Amino acid sequence: QKEVEQDPGPLSVPEGAIVSLNCTYSNSAFQYFMWYRQYSRKGPELLMYTYSSGNKEDGRFTAQVDKSSKYISLFIRDSQPSDSATYLCAMSPDLGFQKLVFGTGTRLLVSP
Amino acid sequence: KAGVTQTPRYLIKTRGQQVTLSCSPISGHRSVSWYQQTPGQGLQFLFEYFSETQRNKGNFPGRFSGRQFSNSRSEMNVSTLELGDSALYLCASSIHQDTQYFGPGTRLTVL
Repeated sequence: QKEVEQDPGPLSVPEGAIVSLNCTYSNSAFQYFMWYRQYSRKGPELLMYTYSSGNKEDGRFTAQVDKSSKYISLFIRDSQPSDSATYLCAMSPDLGFQKLVFGTGTRLLVSP
Repeated sequence: KAGVTQTPRYLIKTRGQQVTLSCSPISGHRSVSWYQQTPGQGLQFLFEYFSETQRNKGNFPGRFSGRQFSNSRSEMNVSTLELGDSALYLCASSIHQDTQYFGPGTRLTVL
């Protein structure tokens, strides 16, 4: 079993829908949680990161962490065709990249 | 500011050959990390260089090596290529330990 599990999708939604992307993990030591967006033929781009539990909002994006359930979510409100990409979750027990564990990504398709 | 650049973007090699990939970080960034991305395993950390020194290393065999130059540019080398080395190799640069900026990657195909 992988430390971080993420449904590969694709997840297809119409424009304007609320999108929910999720990851589960098994390592209770994870404290830093990140969401990256990766467009085709591009490198990942950091969208948000949160420390420990709770919510964080940035424009149309909201990240939630539930450490008791070992479950994190990224919500996208009013989804746009430009949101079509692969979304990667990543997590680490501390700052620093060598312990960062990535999910394999969920492909999102937003149709006009 | 220019982003992270990687060259070449695409590469085809045969088993047993070696390959060198190049990464130019964002100006002022002294930390460069390398990752391997495959559909099955996702992104996996290879190593990180800071001020020409390897600061951290992932769980990859010794065939994977890297170096960093005084201008922070970095190279990654893979010797004795295997079919399983086919992947997207990503380089990322950073100033702080919480945010890294990725390049577009080098797509390596081993035949």
